[in-house]
Amino acid sequence: EIVLTQSPDTLSLSPGERATLSCRASQSVSSFYLAWYQQIPGQAPRLLIYGASNRATGIPDRFSGSASGTDFTLTISRLEPEDFAVYYCQQYDNSPTFGQGTKVEIK
Amino acid sequence: QVQLQESGPGLVKPSQTLSLTCTVSGGSISSGDYYWSWIRQPAGKGLEWIGRIYTSGSTNYNPSLKSRVTISMDTSKNQFSLRLSSVTAADTAVYYCARKFDHWGRGTLVTVSS
Repeated sequence: EIVLTQSPDTLSLSPGERATLSCRASQSVSSFYLAWYQQIPGQAPRLLIYGASNRATGIPDRFSGSASGTDFTLTISRLEPEDFAVYYCQQYDNSPTFGQGTKVEIK
Repeated sequence: QVQLQESGPGLVKPSQTLSLTCTVSGGSISSGDYYWSWIRQPAGKGLEWIGRIYTSGSTNYNPSLKSRVTISMDTSKNQFSLRLSSVTAADTAVYYCARKFDHWGRGTLVTVSS
């Protein structure tokens, strides 16, 4: 099983600041099969990024994803009030797994 | 726009079988390059993939749940279903269905308790 470890567990930032979230895979993951999700409490996860760097339909361009080997990054360039949520990375190749999540909270 | 809706009992007794159905609207579950997944989330915890079924009908499951899980589809009703046997309190969670992870249902809470 591919284990995804996200860091940090919690990120405390102010609106307008830049958020950088990390996801490290325990073994090689094709970038083609790496996704990021946003989850607001009480709601289903929403797909933000697929294929490591492709924004899903309707996702604002302040969200971007990148990859370097087994390390993946989600960047939110300027936090809007609606961006404070929990974010999960996921690999969805043979046996999908999720990271444990990073909570982005208001400082 | 495809939409998914989970349905089923909200309370299941320990050792029994949990059964949920996902009804899909706005698209056919038997066409296109898609697969249809079940995912769950215990309260306050992270997401766990349970398994998926492809439009061809083939399936694959989370190895940790494989012995207890069956996912099937009913193309006449445009639905796919989850059965999880021998449930315990650890199976209490919000259960989501999804199309290829890009469209999700709202989720349904299933509690395992006597």
